[in-house]
Amino acid sequence: EVQLLESGGGLVQPGGSLRLSCAASGFTFTGYAMTWVRQAPGKGLEWVSSISSSGGSTYYADSVKGRFTISRDNSKNTLYLQMNSLRAEDTAIYYCAKTPEWPSELNWFDPWGQGTLVTVSS
Amino acid sequence: EIVLTQSPGTLSLSPGERATLSCRASQSVSSNYLAWYQQKPGQAPRLLIYSASSRATGIPDRFSGSGSGTDFTLTITSLEPEDFAVYYCQQYGSSPLTFGGGTKVEIK
Repeated sequence: EVQLLESGGGLVQPGGSLRLSCAASGFTFTGYAMTWVRQAPGKGLEWVSSISSSGGSTYYADSVKGRFTISRDNSKNTLYLQMNSLRAEDTAIYYCAKTPEWPSELNWFDPWGQGTLVTVSS
Repeated sequence: EIVLTQSPGTLSLSPGERATLSCRASQSVSSNYLAWYQQKPGQAPRLLIYSASSRATGIPDRFSGSGSGTDFTLTITSLEPEDFAVYYCQQYGSSPLTFGGGTKVEIK
């Protein structure tokens, strides 16, 4: 069974940093791209970032480009999201999701983890 | 950026009724790369449909997707109690990936 377990969320002040992790199991991690999607409280879904299976290609939404960095450690089956210069509008549940690589690393998402809540507030 | 507009915002139906959800794109979605997700309160979204009409693994056949270009539809032929939820469409034909605003299917 595929399992994705996010961690690292919490309360952080504006301008602060946080690193999210997503531990994957139940599938061949190196065979899939991975993605972060967020959902502000009571709002819809927003794609944040995706990374290829090798980690060699990364993609970002304009809203986080230059502030967030996606990475992965294939030896640990773990996906990361380093978030810097956090703003109040980054407050959301952050989900990681398994992503097929064909025909592109930018694809649909299945399954999703349960998410980790990031709150940016003073 | 492709903007996806879902309608209606809320659909009030009874169990056993047919639900028809619309997702309209601001420009043509390349190769009909459109997915549908279901989200229940307090849960992560679940993939229902990809490539506009392909059902994901384990999804009941009462869920079907159709459409092409800029107009896409998710149909639930006979609503079960567990189908009352919020539904999102997502396009992956071009970057940035975008989602629609969602349609809530509620019990009438």
